[in-house]
Amino acid sequence: GQNIDQPTEMTATEGAIVQINCTYQTSGFNGLFWYQQHAGEAPTFLSYNVLDGLEEKGRFSSFLSRSKGYSYLLLKELQMKDSASYLCAVNDYKLSFGAGTTVTVRA
Amino acid sequence: DTAVSQTPKYLVTQMGNDKSIKCEQNLGHDTMYWYKQDSKKFLKIMFSYNNKELIINETVPNRFSPKSPDKAHLNLHINSLELGDSAVYFCASSPLTGLNTGELFFGEGSRLTVL
Repeated sequence: GQNIDQPTEMTATEGAIVQINCTYQTSGFNGLFWYQQHAGEAPTFLSYNVLDGLEEKGRFSSFLSRSKGYSYLLLKELQMKDSASYLCAVNDYKLSFGAGTTVTVRA
Repeated sequence: DTAVSQTPKYLVTQMGNDKSIKCEQNLGHDTMYWYKQDSKKFLKIMFSYNNKELIINETVPNRFSPKSPDKAHLNLHINSLELGDSAVYFCASSPLTGLNTGELFFGEGSRLTVL
């Protein structure tokens, strides 16, 4: 089975940095994904890590440590439009999602 | 030219009724999924089909019956609807499956409300 944990909510100020942590315990592993979901919309792909280390994509970066079962998503230079739910998902023969972290960006 | 499209977007119905949600993808992907997102926003896999064959069935009540007439379509039929079935149902597709599953492409979701 899978156990994927991430914080429920985070609040940050426009222009700041926020780090969303995700820990997982799965029977198999072939990659970790981060998705963004705005209220009332479909999840959209943000990043993918399969090897240890940091992947950077513009204002968003994602880190993976397979030995620790740990990942984080780093959002820099926060903008109001970044207010959304961020879902951590692990590929263990299928894509299983955490419950999501709701990020609220305040002016 | 939406990549993954599902209909209807909203569905309000009474307990005990039967309803269907349809999904189509024009990405040429081999694998399609149904996910359920409940009121707590937890996105849970229900079914997965690869080239019309069922490959994942996640302990879903047998009132839920998926059907894939071809690899571009995956429909979900729900019998005897219950209050707890109220949720947003997302269809998704991916090019591969299993440990090679890559990015999922999601439809816009179908919000089902059972009264």
